Amino acid sequence: DAKTTQPPSMDCAEGRAANLPCNHSTISGNEYVYWYRQIHSQGPQYIIHGLKNNETNEMASLIITEDRKSSTLILPHATLRDTAVYYCIVRKTSYDKVIFGPGTSLSVIP
Amino acid sequence: DSGVTQTPKHLITATGQRVTLRCSPRSGDLSVYWYQQSLDQGLQFLIHYYNGEERAKGNILERFSAQQFPDLHSELNLSSLELGDSALYFCASSVELGGAYDEQYFGPGTRLTVT
Repeated sequence: DAKTTQPPSMDCAEGRAANLPCNHSTISGNEYVYWYRQIHSQGPQYIIHGLKNNETNEMASLIITEDRKSSTLILPHATLRDTAVYYCIVRKTSYDKVIFGPGTSLSVIP
Repeated sequence: DSGVTQTPKHLITATGQRVTLRCSPRSGDLSVYWYQQSLDQGLQFLIHYYNGEERAKGNILERFSAQQFPDLHSELNLSSLELGDSALYFCASSVELGGAYDEQYFGPGTRLTVT
């Protein structure tokens, strides 16, 4: 079973910020939060990851709550090309299985 | 382009047959992951190899096997194929220096159709 829960779908207006939530209430202290996205049937694409501090890169920002039980991926100015399924996963070491949940299907609307 | 290559792109075969899917990781990446994605199952982790050794196993059927070779490319072998094995099979690679998990880079996938 996935260690994370995400809303199944969301809409966002083009040009607006897309805020995608993820609940990981059972996360342990040394598990990282990773976000990937999958556009149509292409291979998933890495977006960002974090442990406890907020992170930002050229694609997105990741906000992790202080208790680390949830996080939000922020796409600051969503475009039509950001329409995809977004997956939030948690993982500690490379000895752990990788568990992708159903993700959130984000539709960016013109 | 992630730098991960998978061959073939498409494969159509009959039930009962055996196929081999191939993955070449990004240059310098030591880890290879295999995933299966079917319409009703989502992205399912199958197996992970690190520098030639199996590191983690997911929901991989006994009819499926994988290996990572000394040059770090990997093959996923699927045998006694069933209709339900029709799916997209993705390979991903990552560096994982010192065994620490890091981001994965996915290939374009192999679409397997079993008829």
